[in-house]
Amino acid sequence: KNQVEQSPQSLIILEGKNCTLQCNYTVSPFSNLRWYKQDTGRGPVSLTIMTFSENTKSNGRYTATLDADTKQSSLHITASQLSDSASYICVVGGNDMRFGAGTRLTVKP
Amino acid sequence: GAGVSQSPSNKVTEKGKDVELRCDPISGHTALYWYRQRLGQGLEFLIYFQGNSAPDKSGLPSDRFSAERTGESVSTLTIQRTQQEDSAVYLCASSLGLRQEGYEQYFGPGTRLTVT
Repeated sequence: KNQVEQSPQSLIILEGKNCTLQCNYTVSPFSNLRWYKQDTGRGPVSLTIMTFSENTKSNGRYTATLDADTKQSSLHITASQLSDSASYICVVGGNDMRFGAGTRLTVKP
Repeated sequence: GAGVSQSPSNKVTEKGKDVELRCDPISGHTALYWYRQRLGQGLEFLIYFQGNSAPDKSGLPSDRFSAERTGESVSTLTIQRTQQEDSAVYLCASSLGLRQEGYEQYFGPGTRLTVT
């Protein structure tokens, strides 16, 4: 079983709508959690990073939350744009790094 | 400044041939990673280099896969006797420090390998 589980696997929303992506992990010990965005045909790019003492971090229209007690994180996208269409990957750092399988988001006009 | 570069961008090879993929990390980055990403799938860790320490090869799927890195510069990933299941995008990333310290990884554009 993967130590980092993301849901949903894929998501389709209309432009302008909000959405929330989930990441649950069992990685221990835990030191940090990072969300990456991967556009089709490109390498992933970091959006946010949080340590165990942080419970929210924003980057423009992207807001990540972390609950280290329940080992859950979410990425909220506000007022989605067509360019938000991508895969969003949750990566949890501990003794090494564990990748989630990603959520494929499609924003339609 | 220059990001992570990879070459070739695309490689088509016949089953059974050897291939060599190259990664040029960002200057000064001590950590370097290789990943494999099959179509529509998540990133699969292959190998991690950190400075002059012994690399973490725990993700290499078989002994046909090997990687080298010269100091803190260029790395090559070699796949011997390629199989069709090796077809994927191979991504390289580099970062400033230890992976457990959460340094951001900067990814290259990848090499798309197709084994016919």
